[in-house]
Amino acid sequence: DSGVTQTPKHLITATGQRVTLRCSPRSGDLSVYWYQQSLDQGLQFLIQYYNGEERAKGNILERFSAQQFPDLHSELNLSSLELGDSALYFCASSAGTGTAGNTIYFGEGSWLTVV
Amino acid sequence: AQKITQTQPGMFVQEKEAVTLDCTYDTSDPSYGLFWYKQPSSGEMIFLIYQGSYDQQNATEGRYSLNFQKARKSANLVISASQLGDSAMYFCAMREYRDDKIIFGKGTRLHILP
Repeated sequence: DSGVTQTPKHLITATGQRVTLRCSPRSGDLSVYWYQQSLDQGLQFLIQYYNGEERAKGNILERFSAQQFPDLHSELNLSSLELGDSALYFCASSAGTGTAGNTIYFGEGSWLTVV
Repeated sequence: AQKITQTQPGMFVQEKEAVTLDCTYDTSDPSYGLFWYKQPSSGEMIFLIYQGSYDQQNATEGRYSLNFQKARKSANLVISASQLGDSAMYFCAMREYRDDKIIFGKGTRLHILP
């Protein structure tokens, strides 16, 4: 158990819908990362938050948004869903940024299927 | 340009043998970290080992060791005495501290044969 909690574990939804994925980082970790893993794209970095502030942005679509709350949990919102958004979405956390937070631990992921 | 390269899409290894999974990386940042993760068929990403760019010694964690050759920009994972449970996808990843995000290679699928 990595200590990173993601919900829901599995989600099936229709095209055009909106879903929210939730992540609770390890106790004490200030950084949260979101990744998308699909069969043809591998692991793609989406976005990172550090202590409530956006710190780095990757290949995140405009239909997707995220935030980190004062209690450090994070949510990834996916809207106007398309079939191609079907993927495993990971949240990961680390103690800090740069040299302050070396190890990054992943949650078990949220399997999203868009039908 | 691809920053993390894993040249072995798949490998088959006999149980109890040692196995080396290759990883090369590219960065101009003098401060960076290298990671290996294991992803079994169940999907979770399991942290295995970490090597910092300034670490003098190669990292070891149980049966896992990281063969860090800085000048070659190589960070190979060595698994000693492989077990059937080692069958999984293995990802090499890098974190540049100026950028902070973690970039993953495409992975190597390891099959351990009984």
